[in-house]
Amino acid sequence: EAQVTQNPRYLITVTGKKLTVTCSQNMNHEYMSWYRQDPGLGLRQIYYSMNVEVTDKGDVPEGYKVSRKEKRNFPLILESPSPNQTSLYFCASSPTPFGRQYFGPGTRLTVT
Amino acid sequence: DQQVKQNSPSLSVQEGRISILNCDYTNSMFDYFLWYKKYPAEGPTFLISISSIKDKNEDGRFTVFLNKSAKHLSLHIVPSQPGDSAVYFCAASHGGSQGNLIFGKGTKLSVKP
Repeated sequence: EAQVTQNPRYLITVTGKKLTVTCSQNMNHEYMSWYRQDPGLGLRQIYYSMNVEVTDKGDVPEGYKVSRKEKRNFPLILESPSPNQTSLYFCASSPTPFGRQYFGPGTRLTVT
Repeated sequence: DQQVKQNSPSLSVQEGRISILNCDYTNSMFDYFLWYKKYPAEGPTFLISISSIKDKNEDGRFTVFLNKSAKHLSLHIVPSQPGDSAVYFCAASHGGSQGNLIFGKGTKLSVKP
């Protein structure tokens, strides 16, 4: 089954404790992206990747890092999480940036 | 500065009638537009898209209209069904910044039986 998986689905952590949210897709897509969804703000792009070893900032990259060492995986790293990073995070992939994106189920992160 | 605006946070429609969701944009460089639907506790799912070289695209009950001069697009759902109740996001991108997708804040559609 074609899908985008994210782990963990739920995470509660404390300020400053490094964490990684994994994202994996099995569709051989070149394009992958991370978004956060906040009430009243909609979806905002954090980082995206056009292909392996090619990543670029979206609209809200501060406080986040990503890597794309292999095509299927695109982890999101929070080196020192802060409470303003409490949000619902979505990973997505597609064959091209302009095509339909397939979204993962989301990761709800709470930073206290 | 919000480049993609969905000015109606919510919309309520009777089953069987037409739902019209609107989206305005400010960046004239945008050349590709997409609509996504999102149910609670799920990731967004793609609905329909349109390139700036077209002014209409249709897929079953869903039609997207693009008015470039007004920088406006709309999604029409006919006929509306209770299962269409969800949050709808409009998104835009342009070739000069491939990969950077800008979303609106969403419109919550409620279709009443």
